[in-house]
Amino acid sequence: DTGVSQDPRHKITKRGQNVTFRCDPISEHNRLYWYRQTLGQGPEFLTYFQNEAQLEKSRLLSDRFSAERPKGSFSTLEIQRTEQGDSAMYLCASIQDSYNEQFFGPGTRLTVL
Amino acid sequence: DAKTTQPPSMDCAEGRAANLPCNHSTISGNEYVYWYRQIHSQGPQYIIHGLKNNETNEMASLIITEDRKSSTLILPHATLRDTAVYYCIVRVSRNTGTASKLTFGTGTRLQVTL
Repeated sequence: DTGVSQDPRHKITKRGQNVTFRCDPISEHNRLYWYRQTLGQGPEFLTYFQNEAQLEKSRLLSDRFSAERPKGSFSTLEIQRTEQGDSAMYLCASIQDSYNEQFFGPGTRLTVL
Repeated sequence: DAKTTQPPSMDCAEGRAANLPCNHSTISGNEYVYWYRQIHSQGPQYIIHGLKNNETNEMASLIITEDRKSSTLILPHATLRDTAVYYCIVRVSRNTGTASKLTFGTGTRLQVTL
């Protein structure tokens, strides 16, 4: 257990539905990252927060995706109108300034039918 | 960030040393070599990082060649629990802005066997 938690761990949804994932980082960590991982590939960066500010979004993050981090604590990642290509593991990581190690949560596995 | 090349898979007998190579021939002078691993159905886990000197911690040793174009992660006494995908990542080590995001390749799948 790294101290980063994600909920739910698994989500099965039908194409076209909206889903929301939650990440609770280590409490003193001010930076939070979302990554997506498809089968057989390494994780790919999606977006990054410094406290409550979203500072970068990857080209992978289409306009159907939105992420928030209110009050610089937990973060949510919402996918609207899900597509089968959204099926993946969604990973959250947090880090404190001056440290080198990112702490990853266990991930949320999304399956879109 | 410099690109890395790793073998797709390796086997190691339990109790033996596992030596995982990584090529990073385009590494810049201010880029560090990081290693993470991902055990099945878990998030990646930090192992070790280094700039040019060899590094050792409780998990592993990192050997970086003098020209810094390649490195080797050494697990001195591999156990079944070390079976995982190991990622070698090269990036600037500063926690400013997006420099701290990680760019993963496909890694090396290490299978430790009895």
